[in-house]
Amino acid sequence: DAMVIQNPRYQVTQFGKPVTLSCSQTLNHNVMYWYQQKSSQAPKLLFHYYDKDFNNEADTPDNFQSRRPNTSFCFLDIRSPGLGDAAMYLCATSRDPRQEETQYFGPGTRLLVL
Amino acid sequence: GNSVTQMEGPVTLSEEAFLTINCTYTATGYPSLFWYVQYPGEGLQLLLKATKADDKGSNKGFEATYRKETTSFHLEKGSVQVSDSAVYFCALIEDTGGFKTIFGAGTRLFVKA
Repeated sequence: DAMVIQNPRYQVTQFGKPVTLSCSQTLNHNVMYWYQQKSSQAPKLLFHYYDKDFNNEADTPDNFQSRRPNTSFCFLDIRSPGLGDAAMYLCATSRDPRQEETQYFGPGTRLLVL
Repeated sequence: GNSVTQMEGPVTLSEEAFLTINCTYTATGYPSLFWYVQYPGEGLQLLLKATKADDKGSNKGFEATYRKETTSFHLEKGSVQVSDSAVYFCALIEDTGGFKTIFGAGTRLFVKA
């Protein structure tokens, strides 16, 4: 009964080679989030989708893009990964925050950049 | 800006010991406060929350009280178990209905049998 699924769990890419991480949800939630978490640091919000509306955080690098083709799926695209982009990437969902603020997280994808 | 500060870990306790993990926050509005837990190999999951001053959140023997006067939301448990070993994150959403959750850096807890 997995609710937020992230694939793959581990991803290795080369410096500058585009990579896509995927997230799917079975909760039918309105909002999907992508966070970056570096070792021993707090998760940092990159962007979120409210339904089809995309909301980028001001300090998210242009190198990071996202797509949400339907309610269930959301993708994180890193156009030209640098060594500093190695991190855990967490996907989360929530209902309309005006009704319920709890976020539901996937297990994360750990990205290694060689 | 808004921020969350929690005590550095790791915290190592023996089974049945009392646990406190300190958390303080800075916010301009009236935040909702959360504790999330991350067990090894899993995603974060909500442990408890409080949405206004003096509210107490509780779950699985853990408690935290929203203290506006000290801007704190300390996590406590009277008797920890080995299965409580995890990373604990304090977090806030600035205003009710907001989208952006701001997390603390996390505190790793080890409980020894």
